[in-house]
Amino acid sequence: GEDVEQSLFLSVREGDSSVINCTYTDSSSTYLYWYKQEPGAGLQLLTYIFSNMDMKQDQRLTVLLNKKDKHLSLRIADTQTGDSAIYFCAECSSASKIIFGSGTRLSIRP
Amino acid sequence: DTAVSQTPKYLVTQMGNDKSIKCEQNLGHDTMYWYKQDSKKFLKIMFSYNNKELIINETVPNRFSPKSPDKAHLNLHINSLELGDSAVYFCASSPSGGNQETQYFGPGTRLLVL
Repeated sequence: GEDVEQSLFLSVREGDSSVINCTYTDSSSTYLYWYKQEPGAGLQLLTYIFSNMDMKQDQRLTVLLNKKDKHLSLRIADTQTGDSAIYFCAECSSASKIIFGSGTRLSIRP
Repeated sequence: DTAVSQTPKYLVTQMGNDKSIKCEQNLGHDTMYWYKQDSKKFLKIMFSYNNKELIINETVPNRFSPKSPDKAHLNLHINSLELGDSAVYFCASSPSGGNQETQYFGPGTRLLVL
């Protein structure tokens, strides 16, 4: 079946790194995504990684993919208050559907 | 210019009413989607259309009927609204619906059924 799992909450101190983890089940997924949802707003595509890559870096964001374990992570360096949001992991399944995780709510402590 | 737009942004209505949510994309994409985000923030696909043809139809009550007058529009009509229909509904589009494509989301329509 298709399933994507994430922890629900993460709290980090401002300036520290945040690491949000995700596991997925569809081994044929070709693309994996991270979306950001700020309070009261729509979904914004943050970054994505193709399944034949292990890592992708984009400014403060680093995505790591362990395809063997079906584990995806998003690292945000130097976390700022503006990073407070819900972060959704998603996979594009073999049926061409986007399957989302439940979202991880990231909160920033001063 | 907004790439994927939805109207209305907020919708408050009584149980039993019929309502529509509209979605338009100006990206020239062939494929459009409707997602439902429940109170726990869980996102689930409802429908997808490719060039006005229904492609994905998940287990959704038949009170929900999508309509695509052209490939730039995908509207969602809901009959006999129920309390459990309260959610945020997101429209999205992608170039041709392939699984290597990213989907671009609208801002969401917040539906509250009283």
